[in-house]
Amino acid sequence: GAVVSQHPSWVICKSGTSVKIECRSLDFQATTMFWYRQFPKQSLMLMATSNEGSKATYEQGVEKDKFLINHASLTLSTLTVTSAHPEDSSFYICSALRGGSPYEQYFGPGTRLTVT
Amino acid sequence: AQTVTQSQPEMSVQEAETVTLSCTYDTSENNYYLFWYKQPPSRQMILVIRQEAYKQQNATENRFSVNFQKAAKSFSLKISDSQLGDTAMYFCAFMKQQLNDMRFGAGTRLTVKP
Repeated sequence: GAVVSQHPSWVICKSGTSVKIECRSLDFQATTMFWYRQFPKQSLMLMATSNEGSKATYEQGVEKDKFLINHASLTLSTLTVTSAHPEDSSFYICSALRGGSPYEQYFGPGTRLTVT
Repeated sequence: AQTVTQSQPEMSVQEAETVTLSCTYDTSENNYYLFWYKQPPSRQMILVIRQEAYKQQNATENRFSVNFQKAAKSFSLKISDSQLGDTAMYFCAFMKQQLNDMRFGAGTRLTVKP
């Protein structure tokens, strides 16, 4: 089956610094990628939809200047959390839509971010 | 905006028995996709089953089947012959036909007891 990777799987950063999370589709081209946030024992909340070569579409309430998303190629999307604060600590999950299969969505394993 | 409701925060079932997880949704769209995902303790999201709204036939995948009632906006998941490995969080999800606006329900924690 299709594979989506995320790097890093776990990161600790200090308050005020920025951290970048990568999401890669390893064996298919992804025209669209999604970024989600999941708090402990809660559901996934869609943060933004990322289309290759264009600006991401952010969900209401998500600060686009804080959560920078770049979808530079058909296999890579990045999420940068800028000026991180402890309340940004969460589990971040990406998913990728396989081009040509309208509902084949593959999830990455997630990245646990802890801001101290 | 679309909403997805899972009214059962937790459920349990004996091994080899059958369990049904409920999901309702609200949308004004006519064409869309519905999904059930499983999230084990590893937190890797695993697709269990999907349904296209334009298809009247209920989707099935081995021990997993759905009861899709479009008019009632209901999408329940039936797990037959439950196995210990089925223990996980189960999320119902909705996606617009335009491949955006993915929404998840709050989840149901399923425990399969030996």
